[in-house]
Amino acid sequence: SQQGEEDPQALSIQEGENATMNCSYKTSINNLQWYRQNSGRGLVHLILIRSNEREKHSGRLRVTLDTSKKSSSLLITASRAADTASYFCATDASGANSKLTFGKGITLSVRP
Amino acid sequence: DSGVTQTPKHLITATGQRVTLRCSPRSGDLSVYWYQQSLDQGLQFLIQYYNGEERAKGNILERFSAQQFPDLHSELNLSSLELGDSALYFCASSVQGAFNTGELFFGEGSRLTVL
Repeated sequence: SQQGEEDPQALSIQEGENATMNCSYKTSINNLQWYRQNSGRGLVHLILIRSNEREKHSGRLRVTLDTSKKSSSLLITASRAADTASYFCATDASGANSKLTFGKGITLSVRP
Repeated sequence: DSGVTQTPKHLITATGQRVTLRCSPRSGDLSVYWYQQSLDQGLQFLIQYYNGEERAKGNILERFSAQQFPDLHSELNLSSLELGDSALYFCASSVQGAFNTGELFFGEGSRLTVL
């Protein structure tokens, strides 16, 4: 079963606008990661936030983590047409034999 | 380029057949992960190897098996193939993986079509 559930499933915005994507999960985690996938290509790691961190930045990306609500958000500022892709959150559940479990993804379309 | 190499890129075969997918991880990465991506199931974790040993198992069918060799490359074997096995199969590698999972580096995938 999927650990992370992204919301919304699809998002369409104008170039220059900000895009906010949300992820909720069910169990305790070591870390939460966001990945991007261009159509039919491999996933690319964007950012990792550990369970003891609340916010992290990387370029135009800002990720927040609220472990009390078991949720995370990914904000892409000043979006570009090249940001059009699918975005996945992935959780590394606490405990031995950890593995990264992905949500079903959010399809982001940025209109030029 | 992630540094993870998967072969073949595309594979078309018939039901009942057996195929082998190959993955070479990034240099120095000890962990290899296999994922299956399909439209209806999303990205499903299959299995993880760490330094030659099976570390974690996910939704991997009994018809599927995998191994990691001493040179750290990995193979995923799919047998008695069914139409529903058609999917994109990804290999990913990471430095970590013993007891927590860091950043994964994904290959470009092997697209399997079962006719």
